[in-house]
Amino acid sequence: DTGVSQDPRHKITKRGQNVTFRCDPISEHNRLYWYRQTLGQGPEFLTYFQNEAQLEKSRLLSDRFSAERPKGSFSTLEIQRTEQGDSAMYLCASSSPTSNRNTDTQYFGPGTRLTVL
Amino acid sequence: AQRVTQPEKLLSVFKGAPVELKCNYSYSGSPELFWYVQYSRQRLQLLLRHISRESIKGFTADLNKGETSFHLKKPFAQEEDSAMYYCALNGLTTSGTYKYIFGTGTRLKVLA
Repeated sequence: DTGVSQDPRHKITKRGQNVTFRCDPISEHNRLYWYRQTLGQGPEFLTYFQNEAQLEKSRLLSDRFSAERPKGSFSTLEIQRTEQGDSAMYLCASSSPTSNRNTDTQYFGPGTRLTVL
Repeated sequence: AQRVTQPEKLLSVFKGAPVELKCNYSYSGSPELFWYVQYSRQRLQLLLRHISRESIKGFTADLNKGETSFHLKKPFAQEEDSAMYYCALNGLTTSGTYKYIFGTGTRLKVLA
């Protein structure tokens, strides 16, 4: 296991199309996070899973966004009817089940860069 | 509101000079703070966390609750320290879970 992986690394789509991204966390990690990062900004929290349960969802996540983690392993993030404002880097991170709040080290994937034309 | 502020977008220093990357936070409870780093063409990774009171790659950061700051310091900068640095806070949400809040980042350039 070489770490968190994300697929695809780059996605170019036309406005109005749907896109889906995949994240594979480190295998023993039960927490999985999605972030969005735009130019000049830090990662912005989108949503968080503990095993298959989605525990927190940001107000940034409009109804066009949905995330799943059906078996508590990999996760998908879908954006429906994409808009130009959705263009960003989408980051996934995972963390260990043995960590508590103050040691919750996040291990990040390489990200998926989305460009909406 | 929970917030992390990094006032400098870019910080340039000469090799061997001291470095201080500023981070201020707003959080009503007891904060848990971290510094993450992203080197060129690499993924974001943890540099250090305040609870460990550790020094990583010569960097230290002290939590100052009075000034609500968590500045990152290194006495002698090296060229390999050039990277993007993000301060982050792990805070309690209204629904009782925790989530990370990141600052906007500071790009450190160490000049030869």
